[in-house]
Amino acid sequence: DARVTQTPRHKVTEMGQEVTMRCQPILGHNTVFWYRQTMMQGLELLAYFRNRAPLDDSGMPKDRFSAEMPDATLATLKIQPSEPRDSAVYFCASGLRMGVNSPLHFGNGTRLTVT
Amino acid sequence: SQQGEEDPQALSIQEGENATMNCSYKTSINNLQWYRQNSGRGLVHLILIRSNEREKHSGRLRVTLDTSKKSSSLLITASRAADTASYFCATDPVSGSRLTFGEGTQLTVNP
Repeated sequence: DARVTQTPRHKVTEMGQEVTMRCQPILGHNTVFWYRQTMMQGLELLAYFRNRAPLDDSGMPKDRFSAEMPDATLATLKIQPSEPRDSAVYFCASGLRMGVNSPLHFGNGTRLTVT
Repeated sequence: SQQGEEDPQALSIQEGENATMNCSYKTSINNLQWYRQNSGRGLVHLILIRSNEREKHSGRLRVTLDTSKKSSSLLITASRAADTASYFCATDPVSGSRLTFGEGTQLTVNP
């Protein structure tokens, strides 16, 4: 079964440190999403790529967050500098978009704790 | 605000009972999707219903869609303890933007 792979699964870091989260989308999928999930805010969309081009990153704090797709097999989400309020589970998802949104396939997330 | 809103926020039932979750949304959609999330895992797609469909079945799942009321329901029949999870609806808007997820219903099925 093809799956979205996220690394690391868990990350504990101190405030001010850089955090890099990685995602390998399913081969052939042309859309990639980054979501953040917290108890208070639920599932928030941070960034959205189609064919590796960023289409929507309005949900992302621009001063500290950045999202890229260096190639079709890798998406990265960086936080620099990290803050305690960034503690959350970060999910990557990929899918096919051909006119309408097809189902998304999610990774199992990176649980980030910033102390 | 979220496009999809699930109701109830939490539901607790006994094994063997049916569970019904509802989703309301605001704008016109191409399709509506339901996802399940087990604790500590990512969301898993369950079923997609298109705007021109009224009902769809998949195993013990039954989804209905009423576009005039902008609402959908997910029915899980003969529930099992393994169905314990959070369930999310996601709407694919006609406007062409991305899927929008609701806040989810936490379902607990007691053995």
